[in-house]
Amino acid sequence: DTGVSQNPRHKITKRGQNVTFRCDPISEHNRLYWYRQTLGQGPEFLTYFQNEAQLEKSRLLSDRFSAERPKGSFSTLEIQRTEQGDSAMYLCASSLIQREWVNEQFFGPGTRLTVL
Amino acid sequence: GEDVEQSLFLSVREGDSSVINCTYTDSSSTYLYWYKQEPGAGLQLLTYIFSNMDMKQDQRLTVLLNKKDKHLSLRIADTQTGDSAIYFCAETDLNTGTASKLTFGTGTRLQVTL
Repeated sequence: DTGVSQNPRHKITKRGQNVTFRCDPISEHNRLYWYRQTLGQGPEFLTYFQNEAQLEKSRLLSDRFSAERPKGSFSTLEIQRTEQGDSAMYLCASSLIQREWVNEQFFGPGTRLTVL
Repeated sequence: GEDVEQSLFLSVREGDSSVINCTYTDSSSTYLYWYKQEPGAGLQLLTYIFSNMDMKQDQRLTVLLNKKDKHLSLRIADTQTGDSAIYFCAETDLNTGTASKLTFGTGTRLQVTL
């Protein structure tokens, strides 16, 4: 079991640039989630996929953010025209939903984004 | 909307018990989770409890749920220095249909002293 992996672990970019993060979930998991965590706060939900379908997006996810999971395996999160307020830890999680009400999400180590 | 609150900091001596508290606001049908986050690491799922349960025990961890008061606690017996971390409680709300997202508290930093 390799767990959830995320790349890169750290990203420093200048304001206005585009960035893309990748998440590889646990292989048999059908759900994949993206969260954002700022210093001193708990993670906040951004969006999730069931297989390749994006089923829910938070209001936190502005139109500069886009996420994909093209083949139902890995996912990418792109931020266009980055702003300093986008600086945060971006966390990916995955789960295997067999019964609708139990949702054990397993998290990756995160990608820390710093926008200068 | 959903809201989960936790105290920010707890300091205990090694060998003592730690009790981390959480209150939540949402409805009757929910799962509640405890996660641990160590510096530079992702969140590790420790345990979870369904809201129709009062207690769940797993080795050194005991989760107590007071559904009437919407109060959840995590007790760590014989606390060790390796337990130093930030602990998050989180909930999913079945009334949203798919129990998709987790709503997290702000986290409690547990400091274990010698």
